[in-house]
Amino acid sequence: EVQLVESGGGLVQPGGSLRLSCAASGFTFSSYWMSWVRQAPGKGLEWVANIKQDGSEKYYVDSVKGRFTISRDNAKNSLYLQMNSLRAEDTAVYYCARVIYDSSGYQGVFDYWGQGTLVTVSS
Amino acid sequence: ERVMTQSPATLSVSPGERATLSCRASQSVSSNLAWYQQKPGQAPRLLIYGASTRATGIAARFSGSGSGTEFTLTISSLQSEDFAVYYCQQYNNWPWTFGQGTKVEIK
Repeated sequence: EVQLVESGGGLVQPGGSLRLSCAASGFTFSSYWMSWVRQAPGKGLEWVANIKQDGSEKYYVDSVKGRFTISRDNAKNSLYLQMNSLRAEDTAVYYCARVIYDSSGYQGVFDYWGQGTLVTVSS
Repeated sequence: ERVMTQSPATLSVSPGERATLSCRASQSVSSNLAWYQQKPGQAPRLLIYGASTRATGIAARFSGSGSGTEFTLTISSLQSEDFAVYYCQQYNNWPWTFGQGTKVEIK
């Protein structure tokens, strides 16, 4: 059974830092692109970042470029999101999600999601 | 950036009735569109990808259609467990973007 379990969320002051983790199990972690997707309270979903299987490619939504860093440790089946210079607008539940290709070969479908971890940026 | 617009924002439907949800893209996303269901306090669940392919384990009452800029998610006969928020997502272009969601509520 595929499982994704996030941790590391909490309350942080504006300008502070936080590191999220996602522990993966039930599949060959090193074979998949992985993503972070966030959801502000009462709002919709926003893709945040992607990382290739070997960590050689990383992509970010413009609003977090230069502040967030996605990384992975395939030996530990773990995904990470280092968040620096946090702002109030980064307050959200952060989900770890597995990325797959559809039958046409297009990448970008999130087929499994973790339960999320809440990050609150407030003074 | 492809902007995804869902309508209506809220859909009131009686159990057993048909529900039709719409998603429009600001520019063509071909058939690279997915639908997700989210219940309160839960993570989203993949329903449909490639505009019309049901994900593993998804009931046949869920169907997707469309291409280009206009897409539809149809739930043929609403069950109690289907009352939730539904999001469309395009993965044709960076950044991947979601619609704002349609809440399906009990009438």
